[in-house]
Amino acid sequence: NAGVTQTPKFQVLKTGQSMTLQCAQDMNHNSMYWYRQDPGMGLRLIYYSASEGTTDKGEVPNGYNVSRLNKREFSLRLESAAPSQTSVYFCASSGTANTEAFFGQGTRLTVV
Amino acid sequence: DQQVKQNSPSLSVQEGRISILNCDYTNSMFDYFLWYKKYPAEGPTFLISISSIKDKNEDGRFTVFLNKSAKHLSLHIVPSQPGDSAVYFCAARPINTDKLIFGTGTRLQVFP
Repeated sequence: NAGVTQTPKFQVLKTGQSMTLQCAQDMNHNSMYWYRQDPGMGLRLIYYSASEGTTDKGEVPNGYNVSRLNKREFSLRLESAAPSQTSVYFCASSGTANTEAFFGQGTRLTVV
Repeated sequence: DQQVKQNSPSLSVQEGRISILNCDYTNSMFDYFLWYKKYPAEGPTFLISISSIKDKNEDGRFTVFLNKSAKHLSLHIVPSQPGDSAVYFCAARPINTDKLIFGTGTRLQVFP
């Protein structure tokens, strides 16, 4: 009964370092999403993927890249981390149109 | 430009009373709306949704109302319970896309 699993849960990076946030879902969902949550800003969409092999930019894509490796996995990469990318990152997935999205537990990322 | 707005950052309600959380949107091309609840250090969890062809949807203590002419969405919780204390996000899906756009959230506190 895993749902959406994100790794790692916590990470501290130095400015300029790179890292990849991993996300996997076991619900056979087509769509997957990456959001960031910042105080007073709500959840902002970074990238999403409507199906395996496709990705699209969301509201705040700059500084990020994504890969939809297969139907289960959707990763988010920071090539050169900046302090402005300090945030809590959430991965989500959803099935058919007009159904709810399920979220992972989040990754708290701090860039110093 | 925020397409989904929650203008009240916080709301405090006494246990047993009604909680009303509001959400406004600017894009008339949204056709599906959702409410999520979020506890600290957890991912958002789905609460209730409504299609744009309806004006009301009810699930137990939770009712969502949609006023399309006013581009306004509200969530009513009756009766409110201390366990309802959380941050509530409204979200909207643009027609013919898989995007899910979130508001900034409202922190609800239910006190005894």
